[in-house]
Amino acid sequence: SQQGEEDPQALSIQEGENATMNCSYKTSINNLQWYRQNSGRGLVHLILIRSNEREKHSGRLRVTLDTSKKSSSLLITASRAADTASYFCATVAIFKAAGNKLTFGGGTRVLVKP
Amino acid sequence: DVKVTQSSRYLVKRTGEKVFLECVQDMDHENMFWYRQDPGLGLRLIYFSYDVKMKEKGDIPEGYSVSREKKERFSLILESASTNQTSMYLCASSFFYSPRHNNEQFFGPGTRLTVL
Repeated sequence: SQQGEEDPQALSIQEGENATMNCSYKTSINNLQWYRQNSGRGLVHLILIRSNEREKHSGRLRVTLDTSKKSSSLLITASRAADTASYFCATVAIFKAAGNKLTFGGGTRVLVKP
Repeated sequence: DVKVTQSSRYLVKRTGEKVFLECVQDMDHENMFWYRQDPGLGLRLIYFSYDVKMKEKGDIPEGYSVSREKKERFSLILESASTNQTSMYLCASSFFYSPRHNNEQFFGPGTRLTVL
């Protein structure tokens, strides 16, 4: 079953615009992570936000977390054509040191047009 | 840089064949994972391992087995490949959670398997 559900499923924007995507999840989490996947490739970790954090920045990325609403958002500012990819949120529900499993959402496909 | 490599980018096999997918990581990660990715279904965890010779079932283990004889290598085995196992297979690895490391996963490039 999918813990995280991304919204929208697809997004098309012009270069320079901001892209915002949302993730909702069902159970309590330890942390939430965002990953990027270029077409036909593996996933790349972008940013992690812990359950006691509300906002985090990394370069042009801004992530928010609202545990009361069980939701997170990823904002990409000043988008570039190279940001074209699928973006996934992933959650860690049961925390243990060994073998922490991530549960991934279905992803948001972002197309940045030059 | 962390490197996770997978033995093949593309693989074509016939129904009933035994298929081995190999994954190697060079960062001394304790955890290793196998996922499959299908359109509309996202990433689904098949098996994972948190130590040599240790394995745990993920969400969809049926039709698969795994082997972890060495810390750096995690193999996914399809005992008798079927057409519904045509998919993109992704391997990942991570450290145990600790004050030094969070549990972000590092992914290989993926193997696109087609079973005819």
